[in-house]
Amino acid sequence: RKEVEQDPGPFNVPEGATVAFNCTYSNSASQSFFWYRQDCRKEPKLLMSVYSSGNEDGRFTAQLNRASQYISLLIRDSKLSDSATYLCVVNKEASKIIFGSGTRLSIRP
Amino acid sequence: GAVVSQHPSWVICKSGTSVKIECRSLDFQATTMFWYRQFPKQSLMLMATSNEGSKATYEQGVEKDKFLINHASLTLSTLTVTSAHPEDSSFYICSARVGAGNTEAFFGQGTRLTVV
Repeated sequence: RKEVEQDPGPFNVPEGATVAFNCTYSNSASQSFFWYRQDCRKEPKLLMSVYSSGNEDGRFTAQLNRASQYISLLIRDSKLSDSATYLCVVNKEASKIIFGSGTRLSIRP
Repeated sequence: GAVVSQHPSWVICKSGTSVKIECRSLDFQATTMFWYRQFPKQSLMLMATSNEGSKATYEQGVEKDKFLINHASLTLSTLTVTSAHPEDSSFYICSARVGAGNTEAFFGQGTRLTVV
């Protein structure tokens, strides 16, 4: 079983739609969680951290469920510029950062 | 945010030659840096953890004699792909954190290696 699993997609949704991604992790001792965004042929960039209490940043909401070992990302009112690959990232012991395989999102006009 | 600079951004080399990729933290000191490899349409796979002043820690399945890592200073880590083969063609990215713990990781721009 992979340490971090994501639905690879692609998700193809119209502009303005709401889309949600889930990610599961296998190591219950994982310490922190992030969503990164990666555009084609570019390096990943932090989208948001994921806290136990959940957090929201504009149109983006991230939640963590430690009991079920999954995190989620919700994007509301999607824009064309949201098209990218979204990477679920888990921080393991010794500060290792493990990436999920990524979920590709494509927003159509 | 913090800046991590990676060089070169792309390189084409002949099979059998070696290629060195540099990763620098420009405005902070990084005792630990991480090297990843990403094949097309796949996720970033952690190759190794580079530790300043000591040997790198390699992930299972990564050949340490093929992927030489040197972390000679607090701002520079290098990855050398030795005797490169076409199957080594990939996107290599380094990352570093500011401080320890669960803080954000900053990434270099990546190096696209093509071995012909």
